[in-house]
Amino acid sequence: GESVGLHLPTLSVQEGDNSIINCAYSNSASDYFIWYKQESGKGPQFIIDIRSNMDKRQGQRVTVLLNKTVKHLSLQIAATQPGDSAVYFCAEGAQTGANNLFFGTGTRLTVIP
Amino acid sequence: DTAVSQTPKYLVTQMGNDKSIKCEQNLGHDTMYWYKQDSKKFLKIMFSYNNKELIINETVPNRFSPKSPDKAHLNLHINSLELGDSAVYFCASSQDIGTRAYEQYFGPGTRLTVT
Repeated sequence: GESVGLHLPTLSVQEGDNSIINCAYSNSASDYFIWYKQESGKGPQFIIDIRSNMDKRQGQRVTVLLNKTVKHLSLQIAATQPGDSAVYFCAEGAQTGANNLFFGTGTRLTVIP
Repeated sequence: DTAVSQTPKYLVTQMGNDKSIKCEQNLGHDTMYWYKQDSKKFLKIMFSYNNKELIINETVPNRFSPKSPDKAHLNLHINSLELGDSAVYFCASSQDIGTRAYEQYFGPGTRLTVT
């Protein structure tokens, strides 16, 4: 299943299917983009990052794609599991002295067993 | 072992009161942050400290005052609490600038309710 980030803040997928969570970012000067996962009652947890000079990066069961032309970022989760149910945030930041991250709205992923 | 800890986890108080939230990290990080998450899950940075020095104050009312007694602690003091301050406040830390500064480790959050 897919989400379109700000326009569809919820995404439901069947266990075992692949999930795609989308994010539109605003600052073309951002140097890096990060995905965070926030489970209910917990703080956000770093998943994966990608630098602005890359267009794809893979982790364990996750892949992040970056399209700078249209300022679009996506997180693909392979073989989605119940433990993947959470709110997913994209964040953008610049390589300045501030280490600031600016978080997107978030997408709630629900995995149906 | 808890990497980033916050106390208290829940805080219920009345308008006009002054309260503090404490944060400690045992990761040896140089940079610490405070974030506010509203009821719609929007997460916004409030402050950023590097080696006990304030480096970012993102247009936060001056009723909010961070205090960093040492590199491992960043406390948040809030004066004259207002209803709109009700939110979940997260503390986070990261390695220094130029390394993995964007890989932030978050605490469990403090849910503040102002009545």
